[in-house]
Amino acid sequence: EAGVTQSPTHLIKTRGQQATLRCSPISGHTSVYWYQQALGLGLQFLLWYDEGEERNRGNFPPRFSGRQFPNYSSELNVNALELEDSALYLCASGFRRGQSSGYTFGSGTRLTVV
Amino acid sequence: GNSVTQMEGPVTLSEEAFLTINCTYTATGYPSLFWYVQYPGEGLQLLLKATKADDKGSNKGFEATYRKETTSFHLEKGSVQVSDSAVYFCALSSRDDKIIFGKGTRLHILP
Repeated sequence: EAGVTQSPTHLIKTRGQQATLRCSPISGHTSVYWYQQALGLGLQFLLWYDEGEERNRGNFPPRFSGRQFPNYSSELNVNALELEDSALYLCASGFRRGQSSGYTFGSGTRLTVV
Repeated sequence: GNSVTQMEGPVTLSEEAFLTINCTYTATGYPSLFWYVQYPGEGLQLLLKATKADDKGSNKGFEATYRKETTSFHLEKGSVQVSDSAVYFCALSSRDDKIIFGKGTRLHILP
């Protein structure tokens, strides 16, 4: 069974540009979660999508947005990039109504803003 | 709201020492509890889980027991190895809510 796939692995952007990060969940999973992990810090919740709809959002500005496609894959967009957006962005997938099974994480996208 | 508190790190131990990383939680209802591990340069891996009170999750020599009376889910291992060096995250999830993580505890094991 394929795991959660994130692309690209690394991304380097200039301040003010836009970044698009992608996540493919495990087959059958309907929920996708996005987290930001800045260097040396814990995980900050960004967004939760389930069955195509945004279910919850963390304390991030509107320039962080995303969507979930009919095949449950997801995209995270970060507009007007700032230096402090440099971080590891992690995606996780799971069954919304099966939280007891836990969630599976991808290996992340390392975004560097210069 | 729901929250998770885990002990501050870093924790430094010698190989074969006993490990405990404390985790307590605040939640309404009956959350599921997890420990995740993050090795250097990688994403998070689910280490173990427990879904109801008194359940014991175990994997790779690690174990944790869901204690509802003390709202705790402490991680233990009897004899740590250098390869256990990583960051450990305690987490909870409940119906219709996001996964909530503790801040992580960095573990260093010295040979």
